[in-house]
Amino acid sequence: EVQLVESGGGLVQPGGSLRLSCAASGFTFSSYWMHWVRQAPGKGLVWVSRINSDGSSTSYADSVKGRFTISRDNAKNTLYLQMNSLRAEDTAVYYCARLTYTNLYYYYMDVWGKGTTVTVSS
Amino acid sequence: DIQMTQSPSSLSASVGDRVTITCRASQSISSYLNWYQQKPGKAPKLLIYAASSLQSGVPSRFSGSGSGTDFTLTISSLQPEDFATYYCQQSYSTPGFTFGPGTKVDIK
Repeated sequence: EVQLVESGGGLVQPGGSLRLSCAASGFTFSSYWMHWVRQAPGKGLVWVSRINSDGSSTSYADSVKGRFTISRDNAKNTLYLQMNSLRAEDTAVYYCARLTYTNLYYYYMDVWGKGTTVTVSS
Repeated sequence: DIQMTQSPSSLSASVGDRVTITCRASQSISSYLNWYQQKPGKAPKLLIYAASSLQSGVPSRFSGSGSGTDFTLTISSLQPEDFATYYCQQSYSTPGFTFGPGTKVDIK
């Protein structure tokens, strides 16, 4: 079964750090670009970051640039999101998602984890 | 950056109704448009990709249309399990594939 399972969320004080993990199974993890998407309580989906298949290229939303770092370990089939200098506005459920594309390069996120909750509060 | 809007933001409908949700991009995105369904406390689920292609396993009552800046998601006959929030997403402009604000479909 194709699956993504996030972990590492929790309660952290403003200015603190947290590392999220996303364990992949059931597919060739090293062949896929991966994304992190977050959702603040009662709000919509917001793209956070992406990484290419071998980890050599990354991108970030402006709101997290310089504070978050995405990485992956293809040997362990695991995606990471290192979050530093956390703010109250980073409070959200964080989802990892697999990016797939068609032969005409139409991209879409076809596999999602169940999410892990990050709460930034004193 | 490409901005996505959706209308309506919410709607009330009955089982069996035909439901249409509209998504608009701030610039042309060809057919690089996806639709997701999200139920409370659950992860998003892909319904439609490339504006009109039905994801495997998704019921045929869901359909998508449009190109350029204007897109539509249609549910031909609303079922009880379809009450959820629906998001469009552009995949034209990398790296961040912007989502629309969502349309909540609830029971009339």
